[in-house]
Amino acid sequence: AQSVTQPDIHITVSEGASLELRCNYSYGATPYLFWYVQSPGQGLQLLLKYFSGDTLVQGIKGFEAEFKRSQSSFNLRKPSVHWSDAAEYFCAVGASWGKLQFGAGTQVVVTP
Amino acid sequence: NAGVTQTPKFQVLKTGQSMTLQCAQDMNHEYMSWYRQDPGMGLRLIHYSVGAGITDQGEVPNGYNVSRSTTEDFPLRLLSAAPSQTSVYFCASSRALSGRAGGETQYFGPGTRLLVL
Repeated sequence: AQSVTQPDIHITVSEGASLELRCNYSYGATPYLFWYVQSPGQGLQLLLKYFSGDTLVQGIKGFEAEFKRSQSSFNLRKPSVHWSDAAEYFCAVGASWGKLQFGAGTQVVVTP
Repeated sequence: NAGVTQTPKFQVLKTGQSMTLQCAQDMNHEYMSWYRQDPGMGLRLIHYSVGAGITDQGEVPNGYNVSRSTTEDFPLRLLSAAPSQTSVYFCASSRALSGRAGGETQYFGPGTRLLVL
């Protein structure tokens, strides 16, 4: 069965510093991988997704993620965070037919 | 386009009461899903539908019913609410991708916060 692990429940980062969120997956085949962001009290918004091909994926809001098959990872990065990046971030694997398996999420706090 | 809409935004129920959470999308998407979000557990799939008249169970279906009589609507019914169903519920929809099942981008509604006393 597929699963997604986000090892960090909570991360605090200073504004302007770089950010990396970890995601590890377990899946039998080549996975479809997603990162979603949830701002407080809001629904989820897609940041980026990986299908195949280039292992470095660019997304919205200056985010990128790198797929590493050998490490079963799909880590999300941003070179310089803004206060508006404070949110909860979810990694997910596409199971099939419109279904997503989510990780537990990582809460990001941005300090001045 | 309104996207995915959910009503109500917030609801308080007593144990044993029933209610229906409404979800509608105006993007003509084939797939629709219901998830619940609980602290430390991410989002878990309750039920999903791949088209009008076709539904199936997800990871946590007990205590919930769904039906899909039209492409646009996918209501979630709680027949007898329990405190364990206190959660935030999200509806999502996506367009089918030929040859890439599982790669669909899901669009989420704003959520319904449910409290069962």
